[in-house]
Amino acid sequence: AQRVTQPEKLLSVFKGAPVELKCNYSYSGSPELFWYVQYSRQRLQLLLRHISRESIKGFTADLNKGETSFHLKKPFAQEEDSAMYYCALRRGSNYKLTFGKGTLLTVNP
Amino acid sequence: GAGVSQSPSNKVTEKGKDVELRCDPISGHTALYWYRQSLGQGLEFLIYFQGNSAPDKSGLPSDRFSAERTGGSVSTLTIQRTQQEDSAVYLCASSKGGNYGYTFGSGTRLTVV
Repeated sequence: AQRVTQPEKLLSVFKGAPVELKCNYSYSGSPELFWYVQYSRQRLQLLLRHISRESIKGFTADLNKGETSFHLKKPFAQEEDSAMYYCALRRGSNYKLTFGKGTLLTVNP
Repeated sequence: GAGVSQSPSNKVTEKGKDVELRCDPISGHTALYWYRQSLGQGLEFLIYFQGNSAPDKSGLPSDRFSAERTGGSVSTLTIQRTQQEDSAVYLCASSKGGNYGYTFGSGTRLTVV
């Protein structure tokens, strides 16, 4: 069975500092990895996915199959990045997403 | 519709009562998912529909929980004989399937008193 672990429930950084939200997964096959974000009083929304290899709002994430990780990074955090971040894994198309328990990021002024 | 619509947005019910939660997916989205979001537990998968059938209902916590989808569109999640531990936000998401991502609704906050 697949599992997603986000070791930090809470992460607090200052504006302008680098930020890294950790995500580790366990799955024997080749998974699809995603990051979802939920801003205060808003719906959960897709931030980025590994197959797109894109940068959204300055965030990037690289899939490291050797370390089974998909950490989310941003070089200079902004206050508007404060939100709950969820890492998620999918075995393949047309399968469910399995989510981690989330990390609440607070960016202080 | 423009997005995934869930109703009601809030529901307070007495322990032991039955509740029905509704999800209206984006038109044309064949896949529909129900999740439960509670503090400290993240998002727990409940059930997945492809069209009207449910190939994966492995996340339903007990036989008090059931869901159906009709016409490949609207879905209803029913919780019978509600318990206090059922209190959570119930999220619905829909997708075109394939490599497309999910679009989430705003959820139904269920409180069992």
